[in-house]
Amino acid sequence: NAGVTQTPKFQVLKTGQSMTLQCAQDMNHEYMSWYRQDPGMGLRLIHYSVGAGITDQGEVPNGYNVSRSTTEDFPLRLLSAAPSQTSVYFCASSPTGDSGANVLTFGAGSRLTVL
Amino acid sequence: GQNIDQPTEMTATEGAIVQINCTYQTSGFNGLFWYQQHAGEAPTFLSYNVLDGLEEKGRFSSFLSRSKGYSYLLLKELQMKDSASYLCAAMDSNYQLIWGAGTKLIIKP
Repeated sequence: NAGVTQTPKFQVLKTGQSMTLQCAQDMNHEYMSWYRQDPGMGLRLIHYSVGAGITDQGEVPNGYNVSRSTTEDFPLRLLSAAPSQTSVYFCASSPTGDSGANVLTFGAGSRLTVL
Repeated sequence: GQNIDQPTEMTATEGAIVQINCTYQTSGFNGLFWYQQHAGEAPTFLSYNVLDGLEEKGRFSSFLSRSKGYSYLLLKELQMKDSASYLCAAMDSNYQLIWGAGTKLIIKP
């Protein structure tokens, strides 16, 4: 059982380049989300999805796009990378998005550096 | 606004007990989570409280007071492997998580 798989683990981009962070889960979870983690700050929600075909914005969505064509996959696209997007990105999933006891399962993280 | 406060860093001795506090302000409340995050790794779930009181799970316990907007994580019989960051997160009325910046716990022999 792989859980949540994120790729790549490390990536260096130049300003203006685009890229996609991949996320896949094999637990049949309805809820998937993307966070960024920066030093001295809490996890910040970028985008989330409560099921295939449904996506919504989180706290810091600017500069990022997502799609959810299948239950398993939730890619995060950086449209035109900026140095402010240098961060560690985590994909996380849970059984549903509308229950208090939902425990998030996180991917291993993707460390992105934008020069 | 919504806010979570927890200490930035704490130091404790191997074998001792440490309490990590967390205060929260949210629009509505659907529970309080604690996650552990080792350096360079992903957060992993430790505990969930939605009712007042203490939940014990082995060496780790978590307490919640909804009226005070307060929780703590209690770690007993500290081991070197407990050196990690501990993240407090409160769930608001829309089931969105508000995260604290984390408490880095340093264990000394």
